[in-house]
Amino acid sequence: DAMVIQNPRYQVTQFGKPVTLSCSQTLNHNVMYWYQQKSSQAPKLLFHYYDKDFNNEADTPDNFQSRRPNTSFCFLDIRSPGLGDAAMYLCATSRDSLAGATEQFFGPGTRLTVL
Amino acid sequence: GESVGLHLPTLSVQEGDNSIINCAYSNSASDYFIWYKQESGKGPQFIIDIRSNMDKRQGQRVTVLLNKTVKHLSLQIAATQPGDSAVYFCAENKPSGYSTLTFGKGTMLLVSP
Repeated sequence: DAMVIQNPRYQVTQFGKPVTLSCSQTLNHNVMYWYQQKSSQAPKLLFHYYDKDFNNEADTPDNFQSRRPNTSFCFLDIRSPGLGDAAMYLCATSRDSLAGATEQFFGPGTRLTVL
Repeated sequence: GESVGLHLPTLSVQEGDNSIINCAYSNSASDYFIWYKQESGKGPQFIIDIRSNMDKRQGQRVTVLLNKTVKHLSLQIAATQPGDSAVYFCAENKPSGYSTLTFGKGTMLLVSP
C-alpha cells in the first residue's frame, strides 16, 4: 500500500546531541512537509519542500534543518535539541498542482524525547 | 499566532447521537479546508475536505459545512460510534505562494457506549 513511513517511531536523545528523523513515501508526491506537534496542541508547520525547493516557515528556529535528497525521502535534523524540542514530529506529503491545494497524507509520527 | 493551551475543548456524546464539531478559521482568502481525525499516538487521518466554491459536502456518515460569511466550518458526524473518539482538527489552506495548511486548535470527541 502507498504510504508515508517515519523512522524511528520513538527517539530518545540527550540535550544538545544532534538527532535526525527520517521520512519516506511511496506516493510519489512532489511536496513533503515537517510538522511539530506538542501535547494537546495542533500540528505546527516547520518547513516544506515543493519538489526541490525548500520553504522555511518564518518562526522555525535555526536549530531545525531539513534535507530532501530525492523525491521519496526527507530528513529533519535538530542540531542541538533542547528540552523544549520534545514533541511528536509529523511528516506529510501532498501532490500539489496549479489546480490548487490537495489533501496532505500524514505518517505515524516520531515521538522525540530529550533528556 | 497559534493558541497555546494544555486542555483541548471536549465534546462528549452518547453512542448513536449525531456530533457537530465547529471551527472558526482565520483567513477570508483561504480556499481549501480539511478535517482530520487524530487518535492518540498516531498521525492525523483525512476525513473530508471542501473547497471555497462549495458550502456543503457529504461523505460516509460525515458532512462538512462551510460558511464563508462568518469564516466558520463544521463537521457533522452521524450516528457517532465509540471508534469516532479522537481529536478532530480543521485546517485551512492559505493561497499565498506554495499551498500550506494551518491547523485549528482541535476538539476532542469522546463517545460513550
